[in-house]
Amino acid sequence: NAGVTQTPKFQVLKTGQSMTLQCAQDMNHEYMSWYRQDPGMGLRLIHYSVGAGITDQGEVPNGYNVSRSTTEDFPLRLLSAAPSQTSVYFCASRPAGGATGELFFGEGSRLTVL
Amino acid sequence: QQPVQSPQAVILREGEDAVINCSSSKALYSVHWYRQKHGEAPVFLMILLKGGEQKGHEKISASFNEKKQQSSLYLTASQLSYSGTYFCGTERGSGGSNYKLTFGKGTLLTVNP
Repeated sequence: NAGVTQTPKFQVLKTGQSMTLQCAQDMNHEYMSWYRQDPGMGLRLIHYSVGAGITDQGEVPNGYNVSRSTTEDFPLRLLSAAPSQTSVYFCASRPAGGATGELFFGEGSRLTVL
Repeated sequence: QQPVQSPQAVILREGEDAVINCSSSKALYSVHWYRQKHGEAPVFLMILLKGGEQKGHEKISASFNEKKQQSSLYLTASQLSYSGTYFCGTERGSGGSNYKLTFGKGTLLTVNP
């Protein structure tokens, strides 16, 4: 099993450009989420989804869009990149349902906005 | 709202013990603990659920005080491989339908020979 796969691993953007970070999982997990990690700030939740067609905001959703058309994929879109969005982005998934459970993380995507 | 972790950093010699604390101002359903090595993704260590269940992982154990909304991670006889940043993650409410896992800012643990 590949687990959670994120692409690209590295990206450099200019201010105002748009891009999509891809996230795919092959574990049939209903729950998927995006976090950003900045020095000294820990992991902050951007958006999450509990199943296809269902998304919700996390702690820092501004500037990011998501959609969930399939169970496997949960892309994160930056419509107009800003230097403040320079960060390492992690996608994570876990089975949904009545009980909580381990989050499986992707390897991360390092984004630099100039 | 992010849970609060303490200390921010700790330096140990191999074989020493350490405790990392995590607290929240809100009622919690569960507390998660993860460890992250530099340049890598966080890796799951354990979950503690409302009800006081304590689960251990090798020489790492944890506790969850529901009344105080606090959790502590205990690292016993630390090894060099324990070095990394430790994050606690918390879920509020009654669980199940609440899927927001909010992480603290992390505790940097360094184990020296």
